[in-house]
Amino acid sequence: DAGVIQSPRHEVTEMGQEVTLRCKPISGHDYLFWYRQTMMRGLELLIYFNNNVPIDDSGMPEDRFSAKMPNASFSTLKIQPSEPRDSAVYFCASTFSVTKGNTIYFGEGSWLTVV
Amino acid sequence: AQTVTQSQPEMSVQEAETVTLSCTYDTSESDYYLFWYKQPPSRQMILVIRQEAYKQQNATENRFSVNFQKAAKSFSLKISDSQLGDAAMYFCAYKPRDNLFFGTGTRLTVIP
Repeated sequence: DAGVIQSPRHEVTEMGQEVTLRCKPISGHDYLFWYRQTMMRGLELLIYFNNNVPIDDSGMPEDRFSAKMPNASFSTLKIQPSEPRDSAVYFCASTFSVTKGNTIYFGEGSWLTVV
Repeated sequence: AQTVTQSQPEMSVQEAETVTLSCTYDTSESDYYLFWYKQPPSRQMILVIRQEAYKQQNATENRFSVNFQKAAKSFSLKISDSQLGDAAMYFCAYKPRDNLFFGTGTRLTVIP
């Protein structure tokens, strides 16, 4: 079975440019998460969706960040305009419904460098 | 506040030996799950083992086992017969409901 699929794997962009990260969750999973990993802040949750609806976006740093989930098999995380401090590894993850024990499965991450 | 603490930023172990990674967490919940994830240099997050808080029996997956002490809010990972491929960052994570809360990680080095 395919896991969580993220694209691009690596992106280098210039400050001020728009960045779009993409994610395809595991088929049948109805929770989707976006995490960011940096040396300074570790792994932090940005936003998560349940049945395509954003449930908690309190981790989204500021208005420059936006996330959408137009259907059950696709989500995007957009940064506009990008800044050097946005450089990080961005993970998408998914899981089945709400029961506490369902394991969250991660994609391979998107490495973003903003210069 | 729900926090996860990994007090060992770095650990090392000789190949074939045993190592234990520590994790404590703070919660007022009675029902939750705990996980250990491994992150090799490729940065992929790989599930190692999980523990259900309502089960007293410690989880085991091949060479990996946990020591879960609910009253002490402690969840340590023991790796037996360490292999070179075990070298990675290890993250402890706590899941009360929908989200995972991560510790800061322990970097494990395996010495040949």
